[in-house]
Amino acid sequence: AQSVAQPEDQVNVAEGNPLTVKCTYSVSGNPYLFWYVQYPNRGLQFLLKYITGDNLVKGSYGFEAEFNKSQTSFHLKKPSALVSDSALYFCAVIYSNYQLIWGAGTKLIIKP
Amino acid sequence: DTEVTQTPKHLVMGMTNKKSLKCEQHMGHRAMYWYKQKAKKPPELMFVYSYEKLSINESVPSRFSPECPNSSLLNLHLHALQPEDSALYLCASSQIKGNNEKLFFGSGTQLSVL
Repeated sequence: AQSVAQPEDQVNVAEGNPLTVKCTYSVSGNPYLFWYVQYPNRGLQFLLKYITGDNLVKGSYGFEAEFNKSQTSFHLKKPSALVSDSALYFCAVIYSNYQLIWGAGTKLIIKP
Repeated sequence: DTEVTQTPKHLVMGMTNKKSLKCEQHMGHRAMYWYKQKAKKPPELMFVYSYEKLSINESVPSRFSPECPNSSLLNLHLHALQPEDSALYLCASSQIKGNNEKLFFGSGTQLSVL
């Protein structure tokens, strides 16, 4: 069965430090992977996607994600965290019929 | 214009009321979606419209009735809702319904059913 796991409910990072939000997936075939961010009381915003090609994907707001086929992971990263990065982050994978399977979400807290 | 606009932002309704949620986009997108999201949970797909035709209905109860009057508008008609239907209702759009497509989300309607 297709699935996405975000193993951490919450990640705490000090401002200026690098951050990583983890995502692993289980799909048959080639995965189409996405990261979305949700700020408080807002809808979701697209950050980046992996379809094919370079394993390092760059996205909005300085975020990037690394696709690792052998580890079936698609971790979200940023070299230097900002307080404004504090939000809820969702990893998702496309499966048949163009529908997204979403991870449970990870709350990212950046402390000044 | 890269926005998806949803109205109203907040809605409180009784279980016998009829109300409608509205969604509008002017990006020329031909796929539009309704999602339901409980607090701090991932969104759950309800309906997908592709080229103004209902493409996917995720076994949603009939008290939720979607409508796509034209390529820019999407409505969700609500009738006889239950308290457990209280949630954030998100509209989204994409260029087409396809595996590569990123979704553009509105800010949502926070619905409370009393």
